[in-house]
Amino acid sequence: DTGVSQDPRHKITKRGQNVTFRCDPISEHNRLYWYRQTLGQGPEFLTYFQNEAQLEKSRLLSDRFSAERPKGSFSTLEIQRTEQGDSAMYLCASSLAGLKPRETQYFGPGTRLLVL
Amino acid sequence: AQSVSQHNHHVILSEAASLELGCNYSYGGTVNLFWYVQYPGQHLQLLLKYFSGDPLVKGIKGFEAEFIKSKFSFNLRKPSVQWSDTAEYFCAVRTRAGGGSQGNLIFGKGTKLSVKP
Repeated sequence: DTGVSQDPRHKITKRGQNVTFRCDPISEHNRLYWYRQTLGQGPEFLTYFQNEAQLEKSRLLSDRFSAERPKGSFSTLEIQRTEQGDSAMYLCASSLAGLKPRETQYFGPGTRLLVL
Repeated sequence: AQSVSQHNHHVILSEAASLELGCNYSYGGTVNLFWYVQYPGQHLQLLLKYFSGDPLVKGIKGFEAEFIKSKFSFNLRKPSVQWSDTAEYFCAVRTRAGGGSQGNLIFGKGTKLSVKP
C-alpha cells in the first residue's frame, strides 16, 4: 500500500500528558498537511509543510501544538499538556505541488485522540 | 473568511433514486473545488475535482459535479444511487489568491447519505 499512513490509529491519554503522532506521506509528495476533525464537522486545517519548511499555521494551532518534518519526508505532530478539547481525529494529507496549480491532497486514515 | 456550506446534514434515499448534494462557498476569486467521500470505517477518498475548463466534471462511481461560478456552487449529483453509496460526503475548496495556490482546503461540515436497499 503506497498511500498516506498514520500512527498510531488510536490514542487514549490523560489530561496534561503529551502525545505525538506520526504521518508518512505518499512517496515523493512534497507537501504534507495536518487537519483536525471533530464530530459533526469537516476537517479543519492546522498546518502544512512544503518539503521541510512549515509554510502556514492556522490560528487553531495553539502554542501547545508543534509539528515538524525534519527531512522532508515523514512528519510528527506533538500536543503538549493535552486538554479534553483536544479530543478529535487528526488527519494527515499529502500532495505533489508543482508548477501547474492542480494539486490534489490524499488523506491518511487519521489518528483518533481521546483525552480523559 | 472563506467558508463552505453544505445544505443537507443527512439525506436518506432509496436505491435507484437520484441524488443531488448542495455545496456553496464564499470566495470571490479563483477556486479549486473538490468532493471527498468517507465510507463507514474508511478514510477520506477523493471523489472528483475541478480546476478549470469544463464546469461539469465526472468522478468515480458515476458521480458528477457542476461548477456554477455565478452561484458560487459545486453541487454533487448521481442519477441512481446504490446501497454502497452510503457514506459521508464532504465538499472542499482551495482558494488561489494571486494566481497561486493557498494550499490548505476549506471543508464543509459534510452530508451523511443513507441509501436504503
